[in-house]
Formats: sequence, C-alpha cells, structure tokens
Amino acid sequence: AQKITQTQPGMFVQEKEAVTLDCTYDTSDQSYGLFWYKQPSSGEMIFLIYQGSYDEQNATEGRYSLNFQKARKSANLVISASQLGDSAMYVCAMTQNSGYSTLTFGKGTMLLVSP
Amino acid sequence: DTGVSQDPRHKITKRGQNVTFRCDPISEHNRLYWYRQTLGQGPEFLTYFQNEAQLEKSRLLSDRFSAERPKGSFSTLEIQRTEQGDSAMYLCASSPRLQGTFFGQGTRLTVV
Repeated sequence: AQKITQTQPGMFVQEKEAVTLDCTYDTSDQSYGLFWYKQPSSGEMIFLIYQGSYDEQNATEGRYSLNFQKARKSANLVISASQLGDSAMYVCAMTQNSGYSTLTFGKGTMLLVSP
Repeated sequence: DTGVSQDPRHKITKRGQNVTFRCDPISEHNRLYWYRQTLGQGPEFLTYFQNEAQLEKSRLLSDRFSAERPKGSFSTLEIQRTEQGDSAMYLCASSPRLQGTFFGQGTRLTVV
C-alpha cells in the first residue's frame, strides 16, 4: 500500500519569498510517480508538477520545483517568489507505475501568502 | 472550455434521497476517475474507468454507490438513500494514456 504524509497543516510566507512544502511517501514499488496539486477554495485540483521515480533530475515548472530525495522518500515542493494568488491548499500525491494509475493523496498543507 | 466538467457544482439533498452527478472528461482521455474528499482530508479514490469498462472500485464504494460510463465518454455517479456521512466533495478526473491526471471543479454534496 502507498502512503503520503504531509506534516505541515499550514504555512505562512511573505510575498516574493520562497517556501518549501514537505511531503514524504511510503511505497514498496520500484516504479511510481509523484504529483503536487493546488486546491483553491473553489475545490478543483490544479496539476502543478510531476516527478517519476526514475527521473534523475528534479522536476521544474516555472516557479515550482520538486526537491526529490529518493533515499529519504521525500518529494518537497518549492515555490519561488510567492504571490498572493498562491494562497491555497497544496496536496501531494503518488501513483504506482510512474503516473498512470489511481492517485493516493496526502491531507494537504494550507499556504497563506501575506503582502 | 476543454477541461473536465462536472455538474452540478453544488447539491443539497435530504437524507434518504437519491442523487446523481455527471462528469464530462477531456474528450481524448480514455481514463476516468471518481474521488471523494471530506473536510480536512485529501481526496480518496472511489472508482476508475478505462473507456466504458469499470476496472477498479474502492472499498469506500458501498452498495449505495454506482458509477457508469456507458459510451466511454461522460460518466455518472449515483448515490442511493443518501446519508449524512456522504456529505463531501466528489471529484472527477481524466487522463490520457501516458500523462497525468486532470481534475474537474468537483460537486459539493451536502446531506441534511
């Protein structure tokens, strides 16, 4: 069975600063995929970034980067230059088989960006 | 809008009533998923279709829940004899063969 743990219920950051949101995972699979989603108050899950277990380089998508440390089973999300519009819930997730099956989610971290 | 579409966005129903939700996936996506999210939790997997075939169902999907995807396009999720514990956000998602999963805006169900 797969498990995602997000230990930070909430995080505060000032506008323009960088923030790291923690995610650790547990799986016995060799091949798996790691995802981060943003969930605003409206409820939809917005895909941010993906990392495959065999990818040697950390994934980056604009201001988002995924700090993948396979030995420590961590997949932290780094948001650079935070913006007020980044305030939302951020949810870490994983799948078997590098991303093509069902997702197992963490509980999420609520990020609040202040001016 | 070419994203995943869910209808209705909000539903309030009395305990014991039946409700049905609809999901229209991104047109070229052959995989469709239903998830449920309760307050303070991440989404939990309910069921999954590849084209019209329902390939996997979670233990969360009790006998009161049924999902269909009759022509491999849109899907419906029906809950019969709703209970207060069914109050949640119901999220639909779709994915193509080789890429990630894209979600709709969800249907928020409140059972009173």
